[in-house]
Amino acid sequence: GAGVSQSPRYKVAKRGQDVALRCDPISGHVSLFWYQQALGQGPEFLTYFQNEAQLDKSGLPSDRFFAERPEGSVSTLKIQRTQQEDSAVYLCASSLEGGLYGDTQYFGPGTRLTVL
Amino acid sequence: GNSVTQMEGPVTLSEEAFLTINCTYTATGYPSLFWYVQYPGEGLQLLLKATKADDKGSNKGFEATYRKETTSFHLEKGSVQVSDSAVYFCALSIPGAGSYQLTFGKGTKLSVIP
Repeated sequence: GAGVSQSPRYKVAKRGQDVALRCDPISGHVSLFWYQQALGQGPEFLTYFQNEAQLDKSGLPSDRFFAERPEGSVSTLKIQRTQQEDSAVYLCASSLEGGLYGDTQYFGPGTRLTVL
Repeated sequence: GNSVTQMEGPVTLSEEAFLTINCTYTATGYPSLFWYVQYPGEGLQLLLKATKADDKGSNKGFEATYRKETTSFHLEKGSVQVSDSAVYFCALSIPGAGSYQLTFGKGTKLSVIP
């Protein structure tokens, strides 16, 4: 079956612009995660959804970052008034359940955001 | 808090050489441990995992054993191939601890030369 898909794959924004990044998880997966990966670093957690409920947003770096998953499937990560430090690859992952006993997270290809 | 430390790269090996990538962790609970791999131009893929002490995860000739006493999960392969060239990430999650987020190390880039 289809894996996790993300769009766009690449996004260039001018400083101060708003951007929206989309994630389509694997069908039927309950959990959805967003991560931010800076160049040469490991991914860092941003936020977590279980179905439509955002249960953890402790990793969002500022109130300019907002995520939603209104129908428990597709998710959108929105960044308002982008700054250069927001330049990174944004990864989406989904898992079948809630991560019990090492439930596997499946990652999408990422969206590379460059803020000029 | 939770953290993962893995050996810095890049690592360059000749084909058929033995590979070890060290990974140690600190965790506030009883973590599950993972190795993810990122091939050039591709997304992160799960390579192997272990969910309790002394478990050995294995896949594609790679192995890692969950060592609670040394808080380690070192990745090994007996004979690497050019196709193993990639970035390898060690990671942990705490089952039952709320968001089940993965905490990653910084990654180790492996290059295998013919």
